[in-house]
Amino acid sequence: DAKTTQPTSMDCAEGRAANLPCNHSTISGNEYVYWYRQIHSQGPQYIIHGLKNNETNEMASLIITEDRKSSTLILPHATLRDTAVYYCIVRLPYNQGGKLIFGQGTELSVKP
Amino acid sequence: SAVISQKPSRDICQRGTSLTIQCQVDSQVTMMFWYRQQPGQSLTLIATANQGSEATYESGFVIDKFPISRPNLTFSTLTVSNMSPEDSSIYLCSVESGTGPETQYFGPGTRLLVL
Repeated sequence: DAKTTQPTSMDCAEGRAANLPCNHSTISGNEYVYWYRQIHSQGPQYIIHGLKNNETNEMASLIITEDRKSSTLILPHATLRDTAVYYCIVRLPYNQGGKLIFGQGTELSVKP
Repeated sequence: SAVISQKPSRDICQRGTSLTIQCQVDSQVTMMFWYRQQPGQSLTLIATANQGSEATYESGFVIDKFPISRPNLTFSTLTVSNMSPEDSSIYLCSVESGTGPETQYFGPGTRLLVL
């Protein structure tokens, strides 16, 4: 079973920041937080991952709380093309037995 | 990032038949995985395709129904056997290097409709 809890859906205005929350209160010390998104009819797309520190790449920022029980994915300037289902996943590295287990995700709608 | 292709991209099949889906990667990868996404649902891991050994199946999935081959480090196939309408899904392959907290990349998926 997925170890994360996400809101079912969210709306965001185009050009504004989209902040997607994720709760993972049972995360263990060596589990990573991963974010993927799936645009309709396509394969999931990797966004970002982190362990303890906040991370930023060209797509998004990942803010992990100090106790690691929750995190937030930030899309700084959402566009219509960011409309997708966003999945927050916690996992061990595969060489430690970890797998990507997908929950239901958050359906983000970016509106003009 | 790895570039992954799947064939066919979509198919319509009759019940009782079998379909083999191919997954090709543009570089050698350690781990390949197969997922199923039923209509309106999230992704479910079917199995891990191990090069040179039997695939490792998740609970609820069996080799007789979903035989998998992994002849080398860039290619894998998934067969959906003796299909029924309940097998109508998107089937996706993904790859990972398997050496640490690596990123798993997904193919575009194969849309299967069973009549």
